Amino acid sequence: TQLLEQSPQFLSIQEGENLTVYCNSSSVFSSLQWYRQEPGEGPVLLVTVVTGGEVKKLKRLTFQFGDARKDSSLHITAAQPGDTGLYLCAGAKESNSGYALNFGKGTSLLVTP
Amino acid sequence: DAGVTQSPTHLIKTRGQQVTLRCSPISGHKSVSWYQQVLGQGPQFIFQYYEKEERGRGNFPDRFSARQFPNYSSELNVNALLLGDSALYLCASSLNSGEIDTQYFGPGTRLTVL
Repeated sequence: TQLLEQSPQFLSIQEGENLTVYCNSSSVFSSLQWYRQEPGEGPVLLVTVVTGGEVKKLKRLTFQFGDARKDSSLHITAAQPGDTGLYLCAGAKESNSGYALNFGKGTSLLVTP
Repeated sequence: DAGVTQSPTHLIKTRGQQVTLRCSPISGHKSVSWYQQVLGQGPQFIFQYYEKEERGRGNFPDRFSARQFPNYSSELNVNALLLGDSALYLCASSLNSGEIDTQYFGPGTRLTVL
């Protein structure tokens, strides 16, 4: 069962365009993390958001955690080819499996020159 | 500082064989988690270990087992391999095992079962 739903699943845009990726759930998370993964490599952490309503900026990337801590968004301004990759959101919460990160399926982004 | 390291990087096995994957966490991190990522999917949680104790287990069969050593490194073992076990196996380390502890991932081990 996928606790986190990401949309869109695929996104192909041209350099310079803006985009937003969404991560939604019916569950409440103590924290939510965004990762970027390139083919054949492990996910690389971009940001961790903890507080409901929190907004964090990382250069051209803006991350927002929903007020109810159930959803998040990632906005990229003026996308560049180097932004190409799989963007994964992951929520941390305790379950009967102990503590674990619950991942979405990811949004595959392609930025063409 | 060195990040999370995993070995081997690639592995090819046949059905029914057994495999052991290894992970060294970031220095000072006491918790190691294992994830399986099938092509086109997000990582799925397998195990979490903290201070050599199992703290969490995902929905995987008993063919999957793991352990953590006194130096906090970890091994993941998979017995009686099936074709469906082909995946990228990721190890992540964190300082502790709490919910808001950020997990840092290694490059993964690509396992192919023929």
